[in-house]
Amino acid sequence: SQTIHQWPATLVQPVGSPLSLECTVEGTSNPNLYWYRQAAGRGLQLLFYSVGIGQISSEVPQNLSASRPQDRQFILSSKKLLLSDSGFYLCALERGGASYEQYFGPGTRLTVT
Amino acid sequence: DAKTTQPTSMDCAEGRAANLPCNHSTISGNEYVYWYRQIHSQGPQYIIHGLKNNETNEMASLIITEDRKSSTLILPHATLRDTAVYYCIVSSSGSARQLTFGSGTQLTVLP
Repeated sequence: SQTIHQWPATLVQPVGSPLSLECTVEGTSNPNLYWYRQAAGRGLQLLFYSVGIGQISSEVPQNLSASRPQDRQFILSSKKLLLSDSGFYLCALERGGASYEQYFGPGTRLTVT
Repeated sequence: DAKTTQPTSMDCAEGRAANLPCNHSTISGNEYVYWYRQIHSQGPQYIIHGLKNNETNEMASLIITEDRKSSTLILPHATLRDTAVYYCIVSSSGSARQLTFGSGTQLTVLP
Protein backbone atom coordinates (compact mmCIF):
# COMPACT_ATOMS: atom_id res chain seq x y z
CA SER A 1 0.00 0.00 0.00
CA GLN A 2 1.06 3.57 -0.56
CA THR A 3 2.82 5.68 2.05
CA ILE A 4 3.23 9.44 2.15
CA HIS A 5 6.09 11.09 4.00
CA GLN A 6 6.10 14.76 4.84
CA TRP A 7 8.73 16.74 6.66
CA PRO A 8 9.18 18.54 8.77
CA ALA A 9 6.20 17.80 10.98
CA THR A 10 6.26 21.28 12.49
CA LEU A 11 8.01 24.45 11.46
CA VAL A 12 8.25 27.98 12.84
CA GLN A 13 9.59 30.54 10.40
CA PRO A 14 9.87 34.34 10.49
CA VAL A 15 8.09 36.52 7.98
CA GLY A 16 10.16 37.00 4.86
CA SER A 17 12.10 33.77 5.21
CA PRO A 18 12.11 31.05 2.52
CA LEU A 19 10.20 27.80 2.75
CA SER A 20 10.69 24.31 1.43
CA LEU A 21 8.33 21.48 2.33
CA GLU A 22 8.95 18.04 0.94
CA CYS A 23 6.56 15.23 0.21
CA THR A 24 7.69 11.79 -0.91
CA VAL A 25 5.51 8.81 -1.65
CA GLU A 26 6.13 5.07 -1.71
CA GLY A 27 4.23 2.08 -2.96
CA THR A 28 2.84 3.55 -6.15
CA SER A 29 4.06 4.82 -9.51
CA ASN A 30 3.01 7.87 -11.50
CA PRO A 31 0.53 9.14 -8.93
CA ASN A 32 -1.30 12.43 -9.08
CA LEU A 33 0.07 14.57 -6.27
CA TYR A 34 -1.57 17.44 -4.45
CA TRP A 35 -0.70 20.19 -1.98
CA TYR A 36 -3.47 21.46 0.30
CA ARG A 37 -3.39 24.09 3.02
CA GLN A 38 -5.70 24.32 5.99
CA ALA A 39 -5.78 27.58 7.93
CA ALA A 40 -6.79 27.39 11.57
CA GLY A 41 -10.47 26.47 11.90
CA ARG A 42 -10.98 26.35 8.14
CA GLY A 43 -11.48 23.73 5.45
CA LEU A 44 -8.77 22.51 3.12
CA GLN A 45 -7.71 24.67 0.20
CA LEU A 46 -6.17 23.03 -2.85
CA LEU A 47 -2.93 24.84 -3.73
CA PHE A 48 -1.25 22.77 -6.45
CA TYR A 49 -1.58 19.46 -8.18
CA SER A 50 0.64 17.47 -10.49
CA VAL A 51 -0.15 14.65 -12.91
CA GLY A 52 3.50 13.93 -13.73
CA ILE A 53 7.13 14.99 -13.45
CA GLY A 54 7.51 18.69 -14.16
CA GLN A 55 3.74 19.17 -14.57
CA ILE A 56 2.31 21.59 -12.04
CA SER A 57 -1.13 23.19 -11.95
CA SER A 58 -1.81 26.07 -9.60
CA GLU A 59 -5.22 26.62 -8.11
CA VAL A 60 -4.68 29.76 -6.09
CA PRO A 61 -2.41 32.71 -7.02
CA GLN A 62 -0.07 33.34 -4.11
CA ASN A 63 3.57 33.57 -3.17
CA LEU A 64 3.96 29.80 -3.12
CA SER A 65 5.29 27.52 -5.83
CA ALA A 66 5.52 23.78 -6.33
CA SER A 67 7.82 21.46 -8.19
CA ARG A 68 7.91 17.78 -9.01
CA PRO A 69 11.48 16.84 -9.80
CA GLN A 70 10.86 13.10 -9.50
CA ASP A 71 7.84 10.87 -9.92
CA ARG A 72 7.44 10.37 -6.18
CA GLN A 73 8.61 13.75 -4.90
CA PHE A 74 6.56 16.91 -4.59
CA ILE A 75 8.01 20.11 -3.14
CA LEU A 76 6.26 23.24 -1.93
CA SER A 77 8.35 26.40 -1.78
CA SER A 78 8.24 30.08 -1.06
CA LYS A 79 10.88 32.75 -1.43
CA LYS A 80 9.38 35.01 1.23
CA LEU A 81 6.81 33.83 3.73
CA LEU A 82 3.82 35.93 4.78
CA LEU A 83 1.92 35.73 8.05
CA SER A 84 -1.05 34.44 6.06
CA ASP A 85 1.00 31.41 4.99
CA SER A 86 0.60 29.89 8.44
CA GLY A 87 -1.39 26.70 8.40
CA PHE A 88 -1.44 22.94 8.11
CA TYR A 89 0.06 21.79 4.81
CA LEU A 90 -1.03 18.43 3.52
CA CYS A 91 0.32 16.39 0.65
CA ALA A 92 -2.00 13.90 -0.98
CA LEU A 93 -1.74 11.31 -3.70
CA GLU A 94 -4.18 9.74 -6.07
CA ARG A 95 -3.22 6.63 -7.94
CA GLY A 96 -5.06 7.75 -11.03
CA GLY A 97 -6.93 5.63 -13.51
CA ALA A 98 -9.95 4.02 -11.91
CA SER A 99 -8.89 5.01 -8.40
CA TYR A 100 -11.09 7.56 -6.72
CA GLU A 101 -9.41 7.97 -3.38
CA GLN A 102 -6.96 10.64 -2.33
CA TYR A 103 -4.60 9.56 0.41
CA PHE A 104 -3.28 12.25 2.68
CA GLY A 105 0.05 12.49 4.42
CA PRO A 106 0.61 13.40 8.08
CA GLY A 107 1.00 17.10 7.28
CA THR A 108 3.34 19.92 8.23
CA ARG A 109 2.17 22.55 10.67
CA LEU A 110 3.73 25.88 9.69
CA THR A 111 3.68 28.93 11.92
CA VAL A 112 4.95 32.17 10.43
CA THR A 113 5.91 34.69 13.12
CA ASP B 1 -17.07 22.02 -9.08
CA ALA B 2 -20.52 22.24 -7.54
CA LYS B 3 -20.83 23.59 -4.03
CA THR B 4 -22.23 21.60 -1.15
CA THR B 5 -24.17 22.57 1.96
CA GLN B 6 -23.81 20.65 5.21
CA PRO B 7 -24.96 21.30 8.76
CA THR B 8 -22.24 22.80 10.90
CA SER B 9 -22.47 20.22 13.65
CA MET B 10 -24.32 17.09 14.75
CA ASP B 11 -24.35 14.84 17.78
CA CYS B 12 -24.94 11.11 17.81
CA ALA B 13 -25.15 8.59 20.62
CA GLU B 14 -22.55 5.84 20.62
CA GLY B 15 -23.86 2.68 18.97
CA ARG B 16 -26.58 4.50 17.07
CA ALA B 17 -26.59 5.30 13.38
CA ALA B 18 -25.21 8.68 12.36
CA ASN B 19 -26.93 10.21 9.34
CA LEU B 20 -25.06 13.12 7.82
CA PRO B 21 -26.92 15.09 5.14
CA CYS B 22 -25.47 17.03 2.24
CA ASN B 23 -27.13 19.23 -0.36
CA HIS B 24 -25.53 19.58 -3.79
CA SER B 25 -28.35 21.03 -5.87
CA THR B 26 -26.09 22.25 -8.70
CA ILE B 27 -24.29 18.96 -9.25
CA SER B 28 -23.51 18.15 -12.88
CA GLY B 29 -24.19 14.84 -14.56
CA ASN B 30 -20.52 13.80 -14.58
CA GLU B 31 -19.78 14.79 -10.99
CA TYR B 32 -19.33 12.25 -8.23
CA VAL B 33 -20.20 12.69 -4.57
CA TYR B 34 -17.27 12.00 -2.23
CA TRP B 35 -17.17 11.83 1.53
CA TYR B 36 -14.01 12.34 3.57
CA ARG B 37 -13.51 12.83 7.27
CA GLN B 38 -10.82 14.55 9.27
CA ILE B 39 -9.97 13.68 12.80
CA HIS B 40 -8.38 16.54 14.69
CA SER B 41 -4.80 17.33 13.62
CA GLN B 42 -4.72 14.57 11.02
CA GLY B 43 -5.07 14.51 7.25
CA PRO B 44 -8.47 13.71 5.76
CA GLN B 45 -9.48 10.10 5.24
CA TYR B 46 -11.50 8.89 2.28
CA ILE B 47 -14.78 7.22 3.26
CA ILE B 48 -16.89 6.53 0.19
CA HIS B 49 -18.00 7.92 -3.13
CA GLY B 50 -20.89 7.47 -5.56
CA LEU B 51 -22.38 8.72 -8.81
CA LYS B 52 -26.02 7.69 -8.96
CA ASN B 53 -26.53 4.46 -7.08
CA ASN B 54 -26.38 3.92 -3.36
CA GLU B 55 -23.04 2.59 -2.19
CA THR B 56 -21.86 0.65 0.84
CA ASN B 57 -18.43 -0.30 2.09
CA GLU B 58 -16.91 -1.39 5.37
CA MET B 59 -17.01 2.13 6.77
CA ALA B 60 -20.33 3.59 5.68
CA SER B 61 -23.27 3.75 3.33
CA LEU B 62 -24.00 6.53 0.87
CA ILE B 63 -27.56 7.27 -0.15
CA ILE B 64 -27.99 9.56 -3.16
CA THR B 65 -31.42 10.90 -4.04
CA GLU B 66 -32.81 10.11 -7.46
CA ASP B 67 -32.41 13.71 -8.65
CA ARG B 68 -28.84 13.67 -7.21
CA LYS B 69 -29.40 16.98 -5.50
CA SER B 70 -28.69 15.61 -2.06
CA SER B 71 -27.09 12.67 -0.31
CA THR B 72 -26.75 11.16 3.13
CA LEU B 73 -23.75 9.45 4.65
CA ILE B 74 -24.71 6.77 7.13
CA LEU B 75 -22.39 5.40 9.79
CA PRO B 76 -24.43 2.41 10.94
CA HIS B 77 -23.02 2.02 14.45
CA ALA B 78 -21.16 5.15 15.49
CA THR B 79 -18.26 4.85 17.90
CA LEU B 80 -16.33 7.48 19.80
CA ARG B 81 -13.57 7.17 17.21
CA ASP B 82 -15.98 8.42 14.55
CA THR B 83 -15.92 11.88 16.10
CA ALA B 84 -14.52 14.04 13.28
CA VAL B 85 -15.32 16.67 10.69
CA TYR B 86 -17.09 15.07 7.73
CA TYR B 87 -16.75 16.65 4.30
CA CYS B 88 -19.14 16.15 1.42
CA ILE B 89 -17.50 17.01 -1.90
CA VAL B 90 -18.61 16.87 -5.50
CA SER B 91 -16.03 16.58 -8.24
CA SER B 92 -15.78 15.41 -11.80
CA SER B 93 -13.60 12.46 -12.71
CA GLY B 94 -10.91 14.21 -14.69
CA SER B 95 -7.24 13.36 -15.00
CA ALA B 96 -6.74 14.85 -11.55
CA ARG B 97 -9.59 15.18 -9.15
CA GLN B 98 -9.65 18.67 -7.71
CA LEU B 99 -11.46 18.33 -4.45
CA THR B 100 -12.95 21.44 -2.86
CA PHE B 101 -13.33 20.98 0.86
CA GLY B 102 -15.95 23.19 2.48
CA SER B 103 -16.50 23.63 6.20
CA GLY B 104 -17.94 20.15 6.70
CA THR B 105 -20.02 18.79 9.58
CA GLN B 106 -18.48 18.32 13.00
CA LEU B 107 -19.88 15.01 14.19
CA THR B 108 -19.56 14.36 17.90
CA VAL B 109 -20.32 10.85 19.10
CA LEU B 110 -21.46 10.93 22.69
CA PRO B 111 -20.91 8.08 25.16
